[in-house]
Amino acid sequence: GENVEQHPSTLSVQEGDSAVIKCTYSDSASNYFPWYKQELGKGPQLIIDIRSNVGEKKDQRIAVTLNKTAKHFSLHITETQPEDSAVYFCAASNQAGTALIFGKGTTLSVSS
Amino acid sequence: GAGVSQSPSNKVTEKGKDVELRCDPISGHTALYWYRQSLGQGLEFLIYFQGNSAPDKSGLPSDRFSAERTGGSVSTLTIQRTQQEDSAVYLCASSSQGAHEKLFFGSGTQLSVL
Repeated sequence: GENVEQHPSTLSVQEGDSAVIKCTYSDSASNYFPWYKQELGKGPQLIIDIRSNVGEKKDQRIAVTLNKTAKHFSLHITETQPEDSAVYFCAASNQAGTALIFGKGTTLSVSS
Repeated sequence: GAGVSQSPSNKVTEKGKDVELRCDPISGHTALYWYRQSLGQGLEFLIYFQGNSAPDKSGLPSDRFSAERTGGSVSTLTIQRTQQEDSAVYLCASSSQGAHEKLFFGSGTQLSVL
């Protein structure tokens, strides 16, 4: 079945710096790759997603890139702010296309 | 309500007891998921409901776990004869856009089995 690996597990940056989180997936048939942000005590919230027919997508300070050949995708956050501090999860659709397989998460800390 | 509502927010139970966790999805959302989040782990898929179709139960870890969705809206996840390893946050999500896209999660139920 699908397996999603996420790195790093923790990431500390200074306010204003960029942050990059990387994920790899195993199932070449996966075609949908969302990123979720989870703040303490809350459920995950979708922040951006990308489909396999697109190589890059941007939404203000957030961007996601996808390399289908290498089976990896990345989240890029520019001009980080303290409110970006949270746990970020990548995910990939499973082979049956009925559920998401999540990575183990990256704890991002942005210090001012 | 405006979002996915889960209750209770916290549940402490004794090993061997049964528990029921409730999820109220966003009105009109046809897809409903249950996920489990253990400490320091990613989200583990449990079960998926889509409209009136038979649920996808492929993620349920054992026959002690079951879920139902009544009237295409509210869902209940039941864990029988709870074990300490069942301790986790149980998250419910709903969606209107296809099976696994644009999930809206509730805040979860923190289950602690003593």
